[in-house]
Amino acid sequence: EVQLQQSGAELGKPGTSVKLSCKVSGYNIRSTYMHWVNQRPGKGLEWIGRIDPANGNTIYAEKFKSKATLTADTSSNTAYMQLSQLKSDDTAIYFCAIPYYYDGYYHLFAYWGQGTLVTVSS
Amino acid sequence: DIAITQSPSSVAVSVGETVTLSCKSSQSLLYSENNKDYLGWYQQKPGQTPKPLIYWATNRHTGVPDRFTGSGSGTDFTLIISSVQAEDLADYYCEQYFVYPRTFGGGTKLELK
Repeated sequence: EVQLQQSGAELGKPGTSVKLSCKVSGYNIRSTYMHWVNQRPGKGLEWIGRIDPANGNTIYAEKFKSKATLTADTSSNTAYMQLSQLKSDDTAIYFCAIPYYYDGYYHLFAYWGQGTLVTVSS
Repeated sequence: DIAITQSPSSVAVSVGETVTLSCKSSQSLLYSENNKDYLGWYQQKPGQTPKPLIYWATNRHTGVPDRFTGSGSGTDFTLIISSVQAEDLADYYCEQYFVYPRTFGGGTKLELK
């Protein structure tokens, strides 16, 4: 069974950074891309970026290029996302996710972490 | 970026009714090499993570009941839920994964009439 276990809720002050983790079991992260998605309170889903854990290559949505930094540790099968220069607008639930792989293509996200709530407040 | 627009933003239905949700893309999601549309649908219930429903616009993900049907191609897509059950009350999102950045629609909330 594939499980994505995310780190606990974070309370960050404006201007600081937080680092979230996503530990995967039942799936070798070297064989997939790890994606991150957020959801602001009462709002929809927003794609942040993805990392190829096999080589560290990353792709970010434009608005997150200076906000999020994705890394991965294949030895522990864990993905990380650091959020920097926190603002109140960064308050959201952050999910890690693995896409469904079928017929040679990556598709929608089949496996999700439970989410990490990041609250930015002074 | 490809913009995804869902409508309506909310819809109220009675159990047993059929409902149609719309998803429109600002660009075609059809890949000419394999004639597939890179559009997926998710269901998200309150307090839960999104659950995958449909990939390639029309293919049900594993375990998804056949009352969920995806259709459409190019820029216009629909999710039809036949004989809505109480357990189907949730938010529904479509997402394009044709190009980066992946983008989601704003969602449709399915409520009980």
